[in-house]
Amino acid sequence: SQTIHQWPATLVQPVGSPLSLECTVEGTSNPNLYWYRQAAGRGLQLLFYSVGIGQISSEVPQNLSASRPQDRQFILSSKKLLLSDSGFYLCAWSPPTLNTEAFFGQGTRLTVV
Amino acid sequence: AQKVTQAQTEISVVEKEDVTLDCVYETRDTTYYLFWYKQPPSGELVFLIRRNSFDEQNEISGRYSWNFQKSTSSFNFTITASQVVDSAVYFCALSEARSSGDKLTFGTGTRLAVRP
Repeated sequence: SQTIHQWPATLVQPVGSPLSLECTVEGTSNPNLYWYRQAAGRGLQLLFYSVGIGQISSEVPQNLSASRPQDRQFILSSKKLLLSDSGFYLCAWSPPTLNTEAFFGQGTRLTVV
Repeated sequence: AQKVTQAQTEISVVEKEDVTLDCVYETRDTTYYLFWYKQPPSGELVFLIRRNSFDEQNEISGRYSWNFQKSTSSFNFTITASQVVDSAVYFCALSEARSSGDKLTFGTGTRLAVRP
């Protein structure tokens, strides 16, 4: 069966520090991968998605970047965190066939102080 | 652009009551997909249902049921005989068939509290 792992679960970082959140998927090949952010009291906003290695699409302009160095690995990064980057970050995957449901990781709660 | 509206921010019910969570969507596409996810306190989103725009049949799964009405652009979710374990934030979401990568547009969620 397929599983998705996301870490760390919680993170407290000072303003201006770098960020690296990692997500890996097991049990499937060539998944679509996503990073969503959930701000307090708001819905989930899609930040990045990837349909293949090295293929990253950004949905909103921001201080973050994403990379997909391997088929089942998706990394969310920042060179310098802002206070506004605080939130709950969720990685997700969906099968390479279109219009299927996405499956989410357990999330990372990031607090920038 | 597509949009999903969940007007109910919070709902509180007593155990065994029935509760309906509303979802209204906007899209210009004729082919699209609707979803419901549950987010328990642990934070992980749990997939509940996917429905395509050509299938307006209502669906029942145990205590859960979904009412899809294209005429009103609504995809409402009913929990019958609610239980404390149903307490969570519930999200409705939409994806358009023409979009690459199955991007989901989420509503802002409805927080359901079921009191014993």
